[in-house]
Amino acid sequence: DTAVSQTPKYLVTQMGNDKSIKCEQNLGHDTMYWYKQDSKKFLKIMFSYNNKELIINETVPNRFSPKSPDKAHLNLHINSLELGDSAVYFCASSQREREGYTFGSGTRLTVV
Amino acid sequence: AQSVTQLGSHVSVSEGALVLLRCNYSSSVPPYLFWYVQYPNQGLQLLLKYTTGATLVKGINGFEAEFKKSETSFHLTKPSAHMSDAAEYFCAVSSYNNNDMRFGAGTRLTVKP
Repeated sequence: DTAVSQTPKYLVTQMGNDKSIKCEQNLGHDTMYWYKQDSKKFLKIMFSYNNKELIINETVPNRFSPKSPDKAHLNLHINSLELGDSAVYFCASSQREREGYTFGSGTRLTVV
Repeated sequence: AQSVTQLGSHVSVSEGALVLLRCNYSSSVPPYLFWYVQYPNQGLQLLLKYTTGATLVKGINGFEAEFKKSETSFHLTKPSAHMSDAAEYFCAVSSYNNNDMRFGAGTRLTVKP
């Protein structure tokens, strides 16, 4: 039973399209996150939500819009996809910062 | 703001040799420090963490790390490398109620037979 699950695992799409990545956690955690990992493996936080409320919004183009329908779900919608959006996107969740984050297995987005 | 610097983007060791992956942090508040491992095409898995208390922490797969406040370091070690240890390793820093964990650039560990 996967703790943090993301769908889809792979996503190939054309420039200009709109796409969504879904994330669900069954750990009962209050906080969820989106991270972007680029081709050099660098991980950058994009958003964090606590109990459906946005608490961190890093410098991310407004083409990226997170949506949290409930505290177990945090979806990422991306408008007008660009080549530079190609990356692996990771969802994560946590209950207390001191316990660390639990990561999903990632969504590899390729924009062509 | 908190940050982490990992020294060495690539470390190569022989099987059975000591593994040492270096991490230095910057934080204006007491830090929480973490090491994660990422195997190819997988997510990040928590190896170990330091929050408070004992400065030498042990994790999974025989890894351990020591928090040294005076050196602002949290280096990861393993006495004897195994082929299965080959992966990307990330050091990360956060703090109480932060909800904003920051990662280092990662160190790729290669283990030679």
